Amino acid sequence: DAGVIQSPRHEVTEMGQEVTLRCKPISGHDYLFWYRQTMMRGLELLIYFNNNVPIDDSGMPEDRFSAKMPNASFSTLKIQPSEPRDSAVYFCASRPRGGARTDTQYFGPGTRLTVL
Amino acid sequence: RKEVEQDPGPFNVPEGATVAFNCTYSNSASQSFFWYRQDCRKEPKLLMSVYSSGNEDGRFTAQLNRASQYISLLIRDSKLSDSATYLCVVPSGYSTLTFGKGTMLLVSP
Repeated sequence: DAGVIQSPRHEVTEMGQEVTLRCKPISGHDYLFWYRQTMMRGLELLIYFNNNVPIDDSGMPEDRFSAKMPNASFSTLKIQPSEPRDSAVYFCASRPRGGARTDTQYFGPGTRLTVL
Repeated sequence: RKEVEQDPGPFNVPEGATVAFNCTYSNSASQSFFWYRQDCRKEPKLLMSVYSSGNEDGRFTAQLNRASQYISLLIRDSKLSDSATYLCVVPSGYSTLTFGKGTMLLVSP
């Protein structure tokens, strides 16, 4: 079975440019999470969706960040304009429907973003 | 107290050694906990779940102390392949998890 798929795997861009990160969750999973990981702050939840609906975006750093989930098999995280402090690894994770909140989250391989 | 706190390490141990990590958490209402493993430049993956007092899986044992609000992970007979960062994870909401910054383990020959 395919796991969570993310693209691109690496992105190098210049300050001020728009960046779009993509994620395909595991088929049948109803929850999708976007995380950012840095050495200083560790793994931080940015936003999560349930059945394609954004539930909590309180972790989104500022208005430059936006996320969408137009259907059950695709989500995007967009940064516009990008800044050097956005450099990090961005992970997408998905989780099966329902059940206890203890259900495991499955992570994609991440997108390593560098903003020059 | 931070939500989830871990010693960043690194813990340097020889092959065959036993090593233990601790993690403290602030949400006393949490009922379940996880240890995730993250290899260098890879994604986090679930290592173990801890639902009650503890859990054992081969060389790995996780224990929970609710009174003191800490979780431990014990690794026996360390292997080179155990070298990784171990993330302590606590539910922070109905559907969300809070990850510790991780403890790095380096196992040497």
